[in-house]
Amino acid sequence: EIVLTQSPGTLSLSPGERATLSCRASQSVSGSYLAWYQQKPGQAPRLLIYGAASRATGIPDRFRGSGSGTDFTLTISSLEPEDFAVYFCQQYSISRTFGQGTKVEIK
Amino acid sequence: EVQLLESGGGLVQPGGSLRLSCAASGFTFSSYAMSWVRQGPGRGLEWVSTISDNGYTTYYADSVKGRFTVSRDNFKNTLDLQVNSLRVEDTAVYYCAKGKWFFDLWGRGTLVTVSS
Repeated sequence: EIVLTQSPGTLSLSPGERATLSCRASQSVSGSYLAWYQQKPGQAPRLLIYGAASRATGIPDRFRGSGSGTDFTLTISSLEPEDFAVYFCQQYSISRTFGQGTKVEIK
Repeated sequence: EVQLLESGGGLVQPGGSLRLSCAASGFTFSSYAMSWVRQGPGRGLEWVSTISDNGYTTYYADSVKGRFTVSRDNFKNTLDLQVNSLRVEDTAVYYCAKGKWFFDLWGRGTLVTVSS
């Protein structure tokens, strides 16, 4: 099983700041088969990024995914108020596993 | 409107069973693999099961294999998950999700609580 470790656990930032979220895999994620999701309290997750760098339909371009192998990053270039949420990464190279999440909170 | 709507959750004793359902609308259901993903209290997300677009192929997480059964009805646009021999650790919100490998549409979830 590929274990995904997300860091930091919590990121405290202000609106307008840049957020950088990390997702590290226990072994190489072939084909860059990695997705990112956003989840707000009481809501279902929403797909942001798939294939490590492709934005899902309707996702603003301030969200950017990058990385390959074992190290992946989600960057939010300038935080909007609606971006404060929990973010999960997920690999689909071998079965499907999720990271434990990074909470982006208002500073 | 494109949406998924789960139902069937509830409180059940350890060893009990439930049947979860998901009603799909707004897209061509029969063209897509569908999955179940769960989220335990205060925990992250865990993939549970996937079924192919035609229903012929199913996949399960090791943690539920032999206890859960996924099925679909492409005429009724519904996805089901029969959950048997429930354990306390199966307590979670169960989400229906569109997709085989990653999930581009999710329902709001249905809560399954396993407790004596």
